[in-house]
Amino acid sequence: SAVISQKPSRDICQRGTSLTIQCQVDSQVTMMFWYRQQPGQSLTLIATANQGSEATYESGFVIDKFPISRPNLTFSTLTVSNMSPEDSSIYLCSVAGGGDYEQYFGPGTRLTVT
Amino acid sequence: GENVEQHPSTLSVQEGDSAVIKCTYSDSASNYFPWYKQELGKGPQLIIDIRSNVGEKKDQRIAVTLNKTAKHFSLHITETQPEDSAVYFCAATIHPRGGSYIPTFGRGTSLIVHP
Repeated sequence: SAVISQKPSRDICQRGTSLTIQCQVDSQVTMMFWYRQQPGQSLTLIATANQGSEATYESGFVIDKFPISRPNLTFSTLTVSNMSPEDSSIYLCSVAGGGDYEQYFGPGTRLTVT
Repeated sequence: GENVEQHPSTLSVQEGDSAVIKCTYSDSASNYFPWYKQELGKGPQLIIDIRSNVGEKKDQRIAVTLNKTAKHFSLHITETQPEDSAVYFCAATIHPRGGSYIPTFGRGTSLIVHP
């Protein structure tokens, strides 16, 4: 399985500011995914990020609010822009395994917006 | 799209008892069903999965069963231990989708194992 790290692990941010979350994988992967997990809730897919192409966003999520970069096969960033308290969540990076069935998650970034 | 229902939302058992978590899905085309364990402060960890051509799969104290006709699948944990306490998520997906899969997750079950 892939080893995934995320930075920062947690942050407290002011309303109206932006935060960029980094995701690093220990092996090259084609597809990376960004999820949001609101307190006590399930996982909601924000977007799929393929290297060398624009990210694909799920319904309810837009690029202006959640811009994503995927500069190479081991790294991606998610920015949460113009934050409001409703953006307080855990943001999770994940990757597809070698067999393309399994999906592995990073430890998450716990964001609180005040 | 796919809809996954998961029950119960909370499950409290005594150490050594068995625990069963059940999920139903709506799309008969779904063919891959993973289960994740999320401990407090951590990301979800894949613990077991099953594909639609298999009815049951076991890994030590954990087993998963799948009934394609009824469109439901279950996680069984035997001889529960306090370290099994966590939130468990089921998921269903159609593979492949765009070369990889994107699962639909259930709402999670908080399992509490009392020593």
